[in-house]
Amino acid sequence: DTAVSQTPKYLVTQMGNDKSIKCEQNLGHDTMYWYKQDSKKFLKIMFSYNNKELIINETVPNRFSPKSPDKAHLNLHINSLELGDSAVYFCASSQETRAGYSGNTIYFGEGSWLTVV
Amino acid sequence: AQSVAQPEDQVNVAEGNPLTVKCTYSVSGNPYLFWYVQYPNRGLQFLLKYITGDNLVKGSYGFEAEFNKSQTSFHLKKPSALVSDSALYFCAVSLSGGYQKVTFGIGTKLQVIP
Repeated sequence: DTAVSQTPKYLVTQMGNDKSIKCEQNLGHDTMYWYKQDSKKFLKIMFSYNNKELIINETVPNRFSPKSPDKAHLNLHINSLELGDSAVYFCASSQETRAGYSGNTIYFGEGSWLTVV
Repeated sequence: AQSVAQPEDQVNVAEGNPLTVKCTYSVSGNPYLFWYVQYPNRGLQFLLKYITGDNLVKGSYGFEAEFNKSQTSFHLKKPSALVSDSALYFCAVSLSGGYQKVTFGIGTKLQVIP
């Protein structure tokens, strides 16, 4: 069974469109993340949710809206896509709690390759 | 603020030779340190981490790393490189205590030459 699964794996879309990426984890973790990896492989956190509650919201354009219907799912919706949004988006999860970070391992999905044309 | 530096964009090593991928960090407190590996078109896979205790940490696939507090380093090592070790390696750091985010380095491409 895949621990962190995200769909779609590849997505090609036109500028101005709205798209969503779905993510599910079956590890029983409380915390989920979205990371963005750019063309230079630089990896940066976008959002973090703990038990459906937003914890980290980096300086991401408000065209990006995460939604967590339950602690096992964290979807990413992107409005009005721009060329600069082309990247690989990774969903991840860990067993961190609100009590404080204790160095739990982050488990990554396989990535969603978004190309905006 | 926390940061991590991987000073080498690429490391080339001959198969069978020992390998080292360098990482230094900067945090204002006790760090948690991680190494992840990314194969082409795949997600990041956890290799090993330092939380506390023994400075020498052993991880997956024969990799190990040594936490050196005085030099603020956490270099990844393997005694004998395999061609299949060729991949992108990320060092990451976070602070202990409180709700912290993990900061990743820019990655080092390891090329093992047959």
